[in-house]
Amino acid sequence: NAGVTQTPKFRILKIGQSMTLQCTQDMNHNYMYWYRQDPGMGLKLIYYSVGAGITDKGEVPNGYNVSRSTTEDFPLRLELAAPSQTSVYFCASRGMETQYFGPGTRLLVL
Amino acid sequence: AQTVTQSQPEMSVQEAETVTLSCTYDTSESDYYLFWYKQPPSRQMILVIRQEAYKQQNATENRFSVNFQKAAKSFSLKISDSQLGDAAMYFCAYRERIQGAQKLVFGQGTRLTINP
Repeated sequence: NAGVTQTPKFRILKIGQSMTLQCTQDMNHNYMYWYRQDPGMGLKLIYYSVGAGITDKGEVPNGYNVSRSTTEDFPLRLELAAPSQTSVYFCASRGMETQYFGPGTRLLVL
Repeated sequence: AQTVTQSQPEMSVQEAETVTLSCTYDTSESDYYLFWYKQPPSRQMILVIRQEAYKQQNATENRFSVNFQKAAKSFSLKISDSQLGDAAMYFCAYRERIQGAQKLVFGQGTRLTINP
């Protein structure tokens, strides 16, 4: 039981490039979330999903897109990367009353 | 919107002593959950403790306990017998309800240093 896994662990992007951050959970949770954590700050919600095929915006969705075709996977797409998207990205899934987090992806946009 | 405030950016404590981290929140709801997460240098977010608002009894998990004051909207974390492995960022979080998704709202964090 791996829990929540994220790939890659670290990535450097050039301004204007695009990429997809992968997130997979093996706990059969319906609810999944994407957060970003800027240096010295708490986590802010980007997008969330309540089940396959259903997604909605969180607090800071601009510049990102998501899809949820299966229960297990919840990829986050960055289009036209900007320096302001330099951050650590966390995926989480919710079971019972608790959110379980992946190890994070550190993204640097130069 | 609900907000969570951690007024102590940094705290330090001697090993084996007790430390309390503060958290206040603002909400108009009566039913909610509060959490403390630990984030060590590895950046992994680790759940430390959870409190249900409808429970008057304070949650405890081994050396970790909370002081939940619902009327004051205060939720502090007490770490007893501090250990070197407790050094980390600690985040207080409130669980908000949005269309059933129940997202987390995080405070800014408190960096805890343990002095040997």
